[in-house]
Amino acid sequence: EVKLVESGGGLVQPGRSLKLSCAASGFSFNDYWMGWVRQAPGKGLEWIGEINQDSSAINYTPSLKDKFTISRDNAQNTLYLQMSKLGSEDTAIYYCARVSWPPFDYWGQGVMVTVSS
Amino acid sequence: DIQLTQSPSTLPASLGKRVTISCRASQSISNSLNWYQQKPDGTVKRLIYSTSTLESGVPSRFSGSGSGTDYSLSISSLESEDFAMYYCLQYATYPWTFGGGTKLELK
Repeated sequence: EVKLVESGGGLVQPGRSLKLSCAASGFSFNDYWMGWVRQAPGKGLEWIGEINQDSSAINYTPSLKDKFTISRDNAQNTLYLQMSKLGSEDTAIYYCARVSWPPFDYWGQGVMVTVSS
Repeated sequence: DIQLTQSPSTLPASLGKRVTISCRASQSISNSLNWYQQKPDGTVKRLIYSTSTLESGVPSRFSGSGSGTDYSLSISSLESEDFAMYYCLQYATYPWTFGGGTKLELK
């Protein structure tokens, strides 16, 4: 069974950084691209970006490219999202998802990030 | 960026009714479109990929169609578990973009 479990969310002050993790199991992690999607409270889904199997290719939505960094550790079957200079607009549920072509066939349950002083 | 416009934003419907949700792209996306269901607890599930291919395990009352810029998701006979949010996603061109969502609610 494919399982994706996000962690690392919580309350963070504006301007600070936070790193989310996504633990994958039930499939061969290093065979797949992986990605992140977020959802602000009461809003729709927003694609953040994706990373290929060996981290040699990473794509971001342009508005987040300078703030967010996607990485992965294939030995640990874990995907990461490093977020910096956080603002209130980054308050959202963050989902990791597998990028089986076509993309995003399996999603995690999401983790909440709240940016507030 | 390619904009996806979903309509309606809210769709009241009764059990057993057939409903259709529309997703219109700002330019041709060559059938590179998926449909997702999001339940109130946040769980997201892919229903249809590449416009019309039903995900394994998804009931056959769900179907997708379309081409060019116009796509739709239909549910032939609503069941109680179908009341949820629905989103389309285009992956024809980076950045990938989602539609604004359609809330399917019980009338």
